[in-house]
Amino acid sequence: DAGVIQSPRHEVTEMGQEVTLRCKPISGHDYLFWYRQTMMRGLELLIYFNNNVPIDDSGMPEDRFSAKMPNASFSTLKIQPSEPRDSAVYFCASSSGLAGRNEQFFGPGTRLTVL
Amino acid sequence: GESVGLHLPTLSVQEGDNSIINCAYSNSASDYFIWYKQESGKGPQFIIDIRSNMDKRQGQRVTVLLNKTVKHLSLQIAATQPGDSAVYFCAELNNAGNMLTFGGGTRLMVKP
Repeated sequence: DAGVIQSPRHEVTEMGQEVTLRCKPISGHDYLFWYRQTMMRGLELLIYFNNNVPIDDSGMPEDRFSAKMPNASFSTLKIQPSEPRDSAVYFCASSSGLAGRNEQFFGPGTRLTVL
Repeated sequence: GESVGLHLPTLSVQEGDNSIINCAYSNSASDYFIWYKQESGKGPQFIIDIRSNMDKRQGQRVTVLLNKTVKHLSLQIAATQPGDSAVYFCAELNNAGNMLTFGGGTRLMVKP
């Protein structure tokens, strides 16, 4: 298995531009999580999906952030418009909801720099 | 790389020594805990987990201890190697059983 796949690995954009981050979870996993990692706040959960349905988006910082999961093998996190304070590493993770197994598998992350 | 330069507590150990990384958790009702390792340029990677009905669990070179009385977790790494250099996070599972809350992390540096 290739693991969780994220693209792009690096994104540099200018303030005000739209940014779309992409994630392909591990096949068969029914949970998908988006995290943000910054120096100041560490690793924060933004939103998670179960069976493609958003379950908890209380970690999404503002309306400028949105996430979708149109099918079991693809999710996007969009920031529109982007701001310099959105600069961070964004991780996608997936897990299987089978009882007793809660390990989340993380992707390599996307480093976002907003100038 | 994709790991960020967090201002983290740092533990520096000599190669071959044992390492102990500590973590305090917040929710006394949490019943599942995980230790993750994050190497430079990579996402967090699962190391070992433990449920609240246990106070110790051993893996290969790693042991996790859970003290529910004081809400404390520790990760012990035996015979620490340079490849163990990374940031280590503890995480607790919420009551609903789906969301992990991560601690701030500890940077382990292994001196050859």
